[in-house]
Amino acid sequence: DAGVIQSPRHEVTEMGQEVTLRCKPISGHNSLFWYRQTMMRGLELLIYFNNNVPIDDSGMPEDRFSAKMPNASFSTLKIQPSEPRDSAVYFCASRKTQDSYEQYFGPGTRLTVT
Amino acid sequence: QQPVQSPQAVILREGEDAVINCSSSKALYSVHWYRQKHGEAPVFLMILLKGGEQKGHDKISASFNEKKQQSSLYLTASQLSYSGTYFCGTEFPGGYQKVTFGTGTKLQVIP
Repeated sequence: DAGVIQSPRHEVTEMGQEVTLRCKPISGHNSLFWYRQTMMRGLELLIYFNNNVPIDDSGMPEDRFSAKMPNASFSTLKIQPSEPRDSAVYFCASRKTQDSYEQYFGPGTRLTVT
Repeated sequence: QQPVQSPQAVILREGEDAVINCSSSKALYSVHWYRQKHGEAPVFLMILLKGGEQKGHDKISASFNEKKQQSSLYLTASQLSYSGTYFCGTEFPGGYQKVTFGTGTKLQVIP
């Protein structure tokens, strides 16, 4: 298996610009999670999907953040407009709920907003 | 609702043992343990479900005390490869897969 794929791996953008992060979960996994990791706040769950349906988005910081999962093999996390405090590493993880509790994390996207 | 981990950081010499604790203020359904090496993604170590079962993974084991709402991760005869940040993640009854992670314990094993 290729594992969870995220793109881009690094993103540098200016404040006010739109940023889109992409995630391809492991084939056959039916749950997908978006996390944000910073030194100050640690690993925070932003939103998660089950069978492409958003289940809990209470961790999404504000309306500037949105996430979609149009099909089982693709998800996006969008920030519009971006702010310097959004700088963090964003991880996507997937899980096959029928078989395991293990979440498989992607390599992450390091976002820097200047 | 974020679990509290202790200690925040620990330095060990190869072969020494360590214990990392994770406590919650709410009743737990399960506790997950992950390890993250510098610059990499977190990797699953194990999960403990209600029932107090102790689990093991190589020389790393963990316990779960439901009454105290605590879990402990035991690393015995530490190896250099154990270095990294250890996160516990807690799942509450009815939480439907939502795992809330602690702030992590940074473990460094030196020769």
